[in-house]
Amino acid sequence: GAVVSQHPSRVICKSGTSVKIECRSLDFQATTMFWYRQFPKKSLMLMATSNEGSKATYEQGVEKDKFLINHASLTLSTLTVTSAHPEDSSFYICSARDKGLGEAFFGQGTRLTVV
Amino acid sequence: KNEVEQSPQNLTAQEGEFITINCSYSVGISALHWLQQHPGGGIVSLFMLSSGKKKHGRLIATINIQEKHSSLHITASHPRDSAVYICAVSRWGSNYKLTFGKGTLLTVNP
Repeated sequence: GAVVSQHPSRVICKSGTSVKIECRSLDFQATTMFWYRQFPKKSLMLMATSNEGSKATYEQGVEKDKFLINHASLTLSTLTVTSAHPEDSSFYICSARDKGLGEAFFGQGTRLTVV
Repeated sequence: KNEVEQSPQNLTAQEGEFITINCSYSVGISALHWLQQHPGGGIVSLFMLSSGKKKHGRLIATINIQEKHSSLHITASHPRDSAVYICAVSRWGSNYKLTFGKGTLLTVNP
């Protein structure tokens, strides 16, 4: 089946630094990628939708200057958490949509801890 | 009221038991997904349904569009099935954005 690789799986960073998370579709073209955040014991919440070659569409309440999303190619999207703070600590997951199938495939997730 | 409701929230079973997890939704959808999330956090897509029934190994997923309801069944459950099972729907006209249920934590004891 289709594979989405997300890297890193875990990262610890100091408050004030920036962290980049990569999401790659390994064997299909992902025209659309989604970034989600999961708080403990809560549902996954959509942060933004990115379409290849265009600006990401952010959900209400998500700071676009804090969570920078780049979708420069059909196989790679990145999420950069800028000037991270402890409250940004969370589990971030990407998913990529296979244009042909319409199905969404998920990355393994990234556990971000800001200290 | 959440657009996607799952029940039960928690489920404990003995190995070998037949498991059913339910999902109800209140919006028009183009597809419904069943996902599995293991303790490490990674998510695996189990099924995508728009009608009828799908089967993969010991897993069966059904959907009733008229009743806006789906079920995930696990036959001959095993401790390795222990995970959080999440129902998610793609709303019509939403560009395939998913709305998620809160998940069902399944624990299968040996």
